[in-house]
Amino acid sequence: DIQMTQSPSTLSASVGDRVTITCRASQSFSSWLAWYQQKPGKAPKLLIYKASTLESGVPSRFSGSGSGTEFTLTISSLQPDDFATYYCQQYNSSPWTFGQGTKLEIK
Amino acid sequence: QVQLMQSGAEVKKPGASVKVSCKASGYTFTSYYMHWVRQAPGQGLEWMGIINPSGGATSYAQKFQGRVTMTRDTSTSTLYMELSSLISEDTAIYYCARDTGYCTGGICPANYYFYYWGQGTLVTVSS
Repeated sequence: DIQMTQSPSTLSASVGDRVTITCRASQSFSSWLAWYQQKPGKAPKLLIYKASTLESGVPSRFSGSGSGTEFTLTISSLQPDDFATYYCQQYNSSPWTFGQGTKLEIK
Repeated sequence: QVQLMQSGAEVKKPGASVKVSCKASGYTFTSYYMHWVRQAPGQGLEWMGIINPSGGATSYAQKFQGRVTMTRDTSTSTLYMELSSLISEDTAIYYCARDTGYCTGGICPANYYFYYWGQGTLVTVSS
């Protein structure tokens, strides 16, 4: 199984900040990676797929990059609605696995 | 609009089984693979398996092989996930989620990432 490790586990930031979340894979693969945002009591929301393709309707302040074993999600200017937990997910090989999550908190 | 409406919360004793349903609407039920993903309290997400609503073929994560059964009823556009031999570690929110791949011209790709999700069903395993 491909293990996905996110860092940091918790990130404190302020509105307007630029933040980056990293997702590292235990095996190298191309671009088969998705990012989700989850708020308390809600199902995850798809933000990015194929490592860098923004899902329709997702604000352009979100961006993704990477390949191989290191992937990043960047939020260019944090908005109040962005404080949530973020998960990466690889879909290169079964079982499709998720990172443990990064909780983005208000500083 | 696409909706995935799941059944209500369940409380089960260790050793019992639970069956969660997911009723789909707003799209052609047989045109998209469906997945089940679970999330233990305060924990991350865990993929359990996939079902082709058209033919009913399934593939399960090895961790759940022998304990999980995913089925569907095309007449009611409803999916079912049954998990047996429950233990306390199975306490989690169970989500159904629609694959983003679309069946067309007899070709049914699965992309293995998810846009539409159900609202989740909390299953509590406790003696």
